[in-house]
Amino acid sequence: KAGVTQTPRYLIKTRGQQVTLSCSPISGHRSVSWYQQTPGQGLQFLFEYFSETQRNKGNFPGRFSGRQFSNSRSEMNVSTLELGDSALYLCASSLGQSQAPTEAFFGQGTRLTVV
Amino acid sequence: GDSVTQMEGPVTLSEEAFLTINCTYTATGYPSLFWYVQYPGEGLQLLLKATKADDKGSNKGFEATYRKETTSFHLEKGSVQVSDSAVYFCALLPYNQGGKLIFGQGTELSVKP
Repeated sequence: KAGVTQTPRYLIKTRGQQVTLSCSPISGHRSVSWYQQTPGQGLQFLFEYFSETQRNKGNFPGRFSGRQFSNSRSEMNVSTLELGDSALYLCASSLGQSQAPTEAFFGQGTRLTVV
Repeated sequence: GDSVTQMEGPVTLSEEAFLTINCTYTATGYPSLFWYVQYPGEGLQLLLKATKADDKGSNKGFEATYRKETTSFHLEKGSVQVSDSAVYFCALLPYNQGGKLIFGQGTELSVKP
């Protein structure tokens, strides 16, 4: 069974640009969550999508957005990039059933560098 | 709100030493608890989990017991190896709130031969 796949693995962007990151979850998983990891702030939750609907949202500005497609693949977009957006962005997939919580499986991440 | 607190690192041990990484949590209701491990340049790998009080999760020689009375989920291993060097994250999944994981700050473990 294939794991969670994130593309691309590495990105270098310039301040002010926008970027789109992609995540393909494990087959059969309907929940996709996104996290930002930085040395200073650790792992911070961005948002979660379940069956194409945003189910949870973290405390990030509106420049960070996401969506989920009918095949459960998800994308996140960051507009007007700032230097502080440089981070490892991790995607996690799970079955997503709230009343029967299950573990989340993570991709290898996309390393975004903003210059 | 819900939160997780881990012991600060880095933790440096000799090979075959006993490992404990402390983790305590604050949550309402009945969260699920997890330990994840991150090797350099990689994403997070699930190490073990526990979904209710007194559950013991175990994997690859690592163990952790869900203690509701002390709100703790300490990670232990009887004999560490150099290959266990990594960053370990304790996390909780609040009950009935979807897939939002709340992580501790991570504890870096370095095992010397």
